[in-house]
Amino acid sequence: DAGITQSPRHKVTETGTPVTLRCHQTENHRYMYWYRQDPGHGLRLIHYSYGVKDTDKGEVSDGYSVSRSKTEDFLLTLESATSSQTSVYFCAISETGGNYGYTFGSGTRLTVV
Amino acid sequence: GQQVMQIPQYQHVQEGEDFTTYCNSSTTLSNIQWYKQRPGGHPVFLIQLVKSGEVKKQKRLTFQFGEAKKNSSLHITATQTTDVGTYFCAGLVLTGGGNKLTFGTGTQLKVEL
Repeated sequence: DAGITQSPRHKVTETGTPVTLRCHQTENHRYMYWYRQDPGHGLRLIHYSYGVKDTDKGEVSDGYSVSRSKTEDFLLTLESATSSQTSVYFCAISETGGNYGYTFGSGTRLTVV
Repeated sequence: GQQVMQIPQYQHVQEGEDFTTYCNSSTTLSNIQWYKQRPGGHPVFLIQLVKSGEVKKQKRLTFQFGEAKKNSSLHITATQTTDVGTYFCAGLVLTGGGNKLTFGTGTQLKVEL
């Protein structure tokens, strides 16, 4: 969707290396979210942000950290990538935090070998 | 924690048949949202239901929110090949810890000619 971009779109990395995924928005929305999508599990929340430098953990936050130094950017870091973190990662933005629909980015397909 | 279950996980139909997916929450919801994800794509917001017993329609799609605000359904009349994809429900529970949606596991719909 216009207004939210994720980079990179695809990445292959080795076990044990750090990886950073970027989410960039031009909508000036307060809330930003990182989800991972795996077969049979739907979308699971990793971390979210409700403002600059304001972040909180989701249901599957172990092994991940986030940072938000500007309204428009939300970074997800895999501190030491493992094969279990092979997944599709989606960023989402929301103006109200859930009182209306989220807008999702196109996703990053990450493979850890 | 809050759980949102969705059934069935998969559904194959012949074009022209009807389709229904059901969503059940372990807790009372502030609202429920529905998303569609085309194969290889990202989730796209379809609709939000807020009121107990609410029914909304979008062309061949009918969305219902249960009286207790713990369950919802999406019904598609006379499916078409363009309906192919995975349909997710997502429930919002307002807590002091910030607004975030919990997504169901999704129902993957395949439509055969």
